[in-house]
Amino acid sequence: AQTVTQSQPEMSVQEAETVTLSCTYDTSESDYYLFWYKQPPSRQMILVIRQEAYKQQNATENRFSVNFQKAAKSFSLKISDSQLGDAAMYFCAYEGAGGYQKVTFGIGTKLQVIP
Amino acid sequence: EAGVAQSPRYKIIEKRQSVAFWCNPISGHATLYWYQQILGQGPKLLIQFQNNGVVDDSQLPKDRFSAERLKGVDSTLKIQPAKLEDSAVYLCASSLGETEAKNIQYFGAGTRLSVL
Repeated sequence: AQTVTQSQPEMSVQEAETVTLSCTYDTSESDYYLFWYKQPPSRQMILVIRQEAYKQQNATENRFSVNFQKAAKSFSLKISDSQLGDAAMYFCAYEGAGGYQKVTFGIGTKLQVIP
Repeated sequence: EAGVAQSPRYKIIEKRQSVAFWCNPISGHATLYWYQQILGQGPKLLIQFQNNGVVDDSQLPKDRFSAERLKGVDSTLKIQPAKLEDSAVYLCASSLGETEAKNIQYFGAGTRLSVL
């Protein structure tokens, strides 16, 4: 079974600074998808960024980028120029490719942004 | 475009009572998911539908939980009877399930269940 590990229960960053959230996963599959989802307090979970394992290029979405290391099974999220609105729980998630695969989430990292 | 709708937002019941949650996915989304999110944990998939068929229910406690998606649109999740450990937020999500963007999930606001 696939597992997703987020080893940082909480992180804090100064506004306008950069922060990196860590995620590792375990799988025997060669093709899969990785995600970072954001869950603001009392608000809906939304997708931040998605990475396809067969693509070597790291995904980026504006201030959000990932460092995908397939051999190390590592998938970290970098948030540049942090804003107060970035404060939230961040969940790393894994989904196998091919057919209908179950998504496995990590336990999350709570990000605090300090003004 | 309307998002994923869930109701109720909050529910408080006593143990051994029954409860039902409702979800209406984004129009045209073939895949619907129900997750259980216990405080301090990540979402755990309970059941996944593709149209009105079940794709995965391996983590659904079938002795007390049931779910249906009649006509392949909205869905209900029921717990009968509830236990204290069922206290959690129940999230519904949907995805297109058909294209390159098939596995991007859109989440509802969730139903927060407290079992006393």
